[in-house]
Amino acid sequence: ETGVTQSPTHLIKTRGQQVTLRCSSQSGHNTVSWYQQALGQGPQFIFQYYREEENGRGNFPPRFSGLQFPNYSSELNVNALELDDSALYLCASSLDSSGVPGYTQYFGPGTRLTVL
Amino acid sequence: DAKTTQPPSMDCAEGRAANLPCNHSTISGNEYVYWYRQIHSQGPQYIIHGLKNNETNEMASLIITEDRKSSTLILPHATLRDTAVYYCIVSPGNTGKLIFGQGTTLQVKP
Repeated sequence: ETGVTQSPTHLIKTRGQQVTLRCSSQSGHNTVSWYQQALGQGPQFIFQYYREEENGRGNFPPRFSGLQFPNYSSELNVNALELDDSALYLCASSLDSSGVPGYTQYFGPGTRLTVL
Repeated sequence: DAKTTQPPSMDCAEGRAANLPCNHSTISGNEYVYWYRQIHSQGPQYIIHGLKNNETNEMASLIITEDRKSSTLILPHATLRDTAVYYCIVSPGNTGKLIFGQGTTLQVKP
């Protein structure tokens, strides 16, 4: 096991609602990345947080936002949910600071979001 | 878009070595080759990564060609629990952005 935990495991929302997903990084890790994985596809990078600041973003609209807390836990917030937001949301934490080459990310089990 | 090409699926007999190929002909000098796998409905699991030299750990071996345009992940003694989607990713490894392709679905058969 990676020591990365996510909550909740599953979540059902309706279109237009807002959702918050949570991630607890492996102890000592200071960087967290979030990914969206649609059914049958590989994970897609949403954004990364390093020491509480956003440090890179993928091709996702502003209604996807995040937070990283001093204890390095993290949240992913999605506003105005759309049907296409239904996916497995994954967080990944890493030990080394952003900018250090060759570091490894460790993934949590994911949160399965269904938007009706 | 992913910078790697992998076969969509492969079979392997239990107890035999599984050799998973990956082409990355446009890899840059500062990019590492990472391998992850994803067992159904779980988060991706890190396996191994390398820059130029071959690497080995308790899970697998990574063989990178001298020109770095391709690599092979070797699971020396495949078990049924190795059935998963295997992703080959090239990344400078200094950002959080891993670009996943479709991966190779490895089916280990008894």
